[in-house]
Formats: sequence, structure tokens, C-alpha cells
Amino acid sequence: EIVLTQSPDFQSVTPKEKVTITCRASQSIGNKLHWYQQKPDQSPRLLIKYTSQSFSGVPSRFSGSGSGTDFTLTINSLEAEDAATYFCHQSSSVPQTFGQGTRLEIK
Amino acid sequence: DVELVEAGGGLVQPGGSLRLSCAVSGLSISAYWMTWARQARGKRPEWLASIKQDGSEKNYVDSVKGRFTISRDNDRNSLYLEMNRLRVEDTAVYYCGAAGLDYWGRGALVTVSS
Repeated sequence: EIVLTQSPDFQSVTPKEKVTITCRASQSIGNKLHWYQQKPDQSPRLLIKYTSQSFSGVPSRFSGSGSGTDFTLTINSLEAEDAATYFCHQSSSVPQTFGQGTRLEIK
Repeated sequence: DVELVEAGGGLVQPGGSLRLSCAVSGLSISAYWMTWARQARGKRPEWLASIKQDGSEKNYVDSVKGRFTISRDNDRNSLYLEMNRLRVEDTAVYYCGAAGLDYWGRGALVTVSS
């Protein structure tokens, strides 16, 4: 099973700040890494698929990069509505797995 | 807009069974792999099972293999999850996902408790 480890677990940030969340895979997953945003009592929402492809309707301040085992989600110019938990997810091999999540708090 | 609506959740005793359904609109599921995932309160999502477009291939996480069965009806644009021999640790919100996990439903709460 591929283990995904995110860092940090929690970050408190101010609006307009730039945020970087990393996701490290225990073995190479190519580009099959996806990012989701989840707000309390809501379903996860896809932000980025296959490392860097922005999903329909997602604001341009969200971007993804990486390959192999190391991946990054970047949020430029953070907005108050970005307060949420962010998860990475790999679909390279079965079982598909998720990172433990990164909770973003807006100061 | 794409919408996925799960149904069939509820309270069940350990060892019992439930069948979840997921009705999809705004997207023809016949073109996509479909997926079930779950999330226990305060935990990360957990992928459970996926099924190929024509149903010819199914994959499961080990913890549900032999107890859960994923199926689909492309004519009804619907996905199903048959859950047997339920355990307390199966308690979670269950989500269906379309096009892999591009789209998620709102979820159905399954509580396994005596």
C-alpha cells in the first residue's frame, strides 16, 4: 500500500499569503496525484487532478506541481473562503490512498 | 451540473447488511470508472472500491473484500454498494464518486452499532 504523508498537518495563515502544502508518496506514483478541499460537513471537492491539471471551476490561485514521490499544492493570495482541510490522493495503484490532511486556518 | 445522490444509509446492528445506491445526473456514468469511498468522523477519506465502465473489472480495499460488492446499472445511471457482515468500524459517511473521484456525492451516513 502506498502511504501519502502531508506536511504540515496544520497551518494558520493570513489572507493574501501564499501557502504551500506538500505530499510525499512512499513510492513513485508518476503523476497520479490529486488534491481535494473539504470544508466542515461538506464532501471533498476536487481541485487539481494528475498533479497539475486544474479542475473545472476551481479558482486560478490553486495550482499543483511535482512528480514521482514529491508533490505540492500552492494557493496564491489566500482568501478567507480557503479555510478548509486539504487532502492528497493517489490513484496509481490499488488500494488508492489519501494523505492525512492539512488543516488551514485563516487568521 | 453533475449531481450524485446517495441513499440507503442508516443504523444497523453488527453483522447486518445494507445496500447503498447512488443516482447520478448531469453525466453519463457509462463512460467512467465509478468509485465508493468513506470517511469516518475526523478521519481522512478511505477508498473502498471501483468498477470499470462495463462492470468487467472491480477493485476493493482489503478491509471490505468479501463483505462488500460494488455494482452498476448504466441504463439507470446508478451505482450500488452491497454491504454484508457489517462491523462497528464500518461506521462512516459513504460517498459515491464519478469519473474516479472527480465528482463526489453528498454522502450517506452508515452507523453500525448494537
